Amino acid sequence: DIQMTQSPSTLSASVGDRVTITCRASQSISGWLAWYQQKPGKAPKLLIYRASSLESGVPSRFSGSGSGTEFTLTISSLQPDDFATYYCQHYNRYPITFGQGTRLEI
Amino acid sequence: EVQLVESGGGLVQPGGSLRLSCAASGFTFSRCWMSWVRQAPGKGLEWVANINSDGSEKYYVDSVKGRFTISRDNAKNSLYLQMNSLRAEDTAVYYCAKVDYYNSGYYDYWGQGTPVTVSS
Repeated sequence: DIQMTQSPSTLSASVGDRVTITCRASQSISGWLAWYQQKPGKAPKLLIYRASSLESGVPSRFSGSGSGTEFTLTISSLQPDDFATYYCQHYNRYPITFGQGTRLEI
Repeated sequence: EVQLVESGGGLVQPGGSLRLSCAASGFTFSRCWMSWVRQAPGKGLEWVANINSDGSEKYYVDSVKGRFTISRDNAKNSLYLQMNSLRAEDTAVYYCAKVDYYNSGYYDYWGQGTPVTVSS
């Protein structure tokens, strides 16, 4: 199975900050990676797919990059609505796996 | 507007069974792969199962193989998860998720989730 490891697990930041979350795969997944945002008690929301493609309707302050085994999610200027937990997910092959999550807090 | 509405969750004893349903609308259900993803209390997301558009291909995480069955009824725009021999570690919120239009494997829409608690 492909293991997905996110870092950091928790990130403290302020409104207006630029933040980066890293996701590493235990083996190459090419660009088959998605990023989701989840708020407490809510379903995950797709942000990025194919490592760097922005889902329709997602603000342009979110961006993704990477290929192979190392990927990043960057938020260019944090807004109050961005404080949430973020997950990466590979879909290179089965079983599909998610990272353990990164909690972004004030 | 795409909508996915799960139902069927609840409290069940270890060893028991439960059938989850997901009613889909707002897209051509019969053309899309679908999935179940779960989240244990306070934990991360775990993929459970995928099914292709006509129901002929099914994939499962190892921990549920032989106990859970994913199925669909395209005439009813509905997805199901039959869960047997339930264990405490199956306790989670179960989400129905739609795989992207090109069936790449990521999830572009999610339901609100239905909670399952396995406890005596």
